[in-house]
Amino acid sequence: QSVLTQPPSVSGAPGQRVTISCTGSSSNIGADYAVHWYQQVPGTAPKLLLFDNSHRPSGVPDRFSGSRSGTSVSLAISGLQAEDEADYYCQSFDKRLRVWVFGGGTKVTVL
Amino acid sequence: EVHLVESGGGLVQPGGSLRLSCAASGFTFDTYNMIWVRQGPGKGLEWISYAANTASGSGVYYADSVKGRFTVSRDNAKSSLYLQMNRLRVEDSATYYCVKGGGSGTSSSFENWGQGTLVTVSS
Repeated sequence: QSVLTQPPSVSGAPGQRVTISCTGSSSNIGADYAVHWYQQVPGTAPKLLLFDNSHRPSGVPDRFSGSRSGTSVSLAISGLQAEDEADYYCQSFDKRLRVWVFGGGTKVTVL
Repeated sequence: EVHLVESGGGLVQPGGSLRLSCAASGFTFDTYNMIWVRQGPGKGLEWISYAANTASGSGVYYADSVKGRFTVSRDNAKSSLYLQMNRLRVEDSATYYCVKGGGSGTSSSFENWGQGTLVTVSS
């Protein structure tokens, strides 16, 4: 089991909005450590999608947004497009384990 | 533009050793924290090692799954990161990614990724 919990899959039709949750605990997200999101298109290396909870690196469309509340964070994709079909991972630091941790990943399917 | 190119992967028998290399370019290597992340076949991402930059004291950190078997090192003069992997196990089979860190310390994001190198441990 991953320290950060994500749903295995989410799906939506083109143009719809989907959200992916990432739930941690008081030793990681709840301890105010930054959370980052990565997108991995099948067969390619992961790519940084959001850093420090909600900031987009240059080149990432503003359709991607992040929010945070307590021990959870969420990634929202609005105006879903076929090219958004990928695996998405959240990542943070855990102070109890003293390691950088990932969520188990969420597969986004565009119907 | 940041480029990270891993090499050194391959097939090795259980108990064997392998040394991965990562050639970095496009940024001032010694000012960035560098990370190794692996991904088993069909599995998620796993952080395995972190090599801090010079300003942060050049500390190194490992996941429990590899502690005592893997050693990370960096040659700032060559802009290169290495991962010496000893006593390899079948469960170490994965694609290994070299990653440039963003931010600092515990809040580091994994900013830029190489294309990965495949390690297969099998008899």
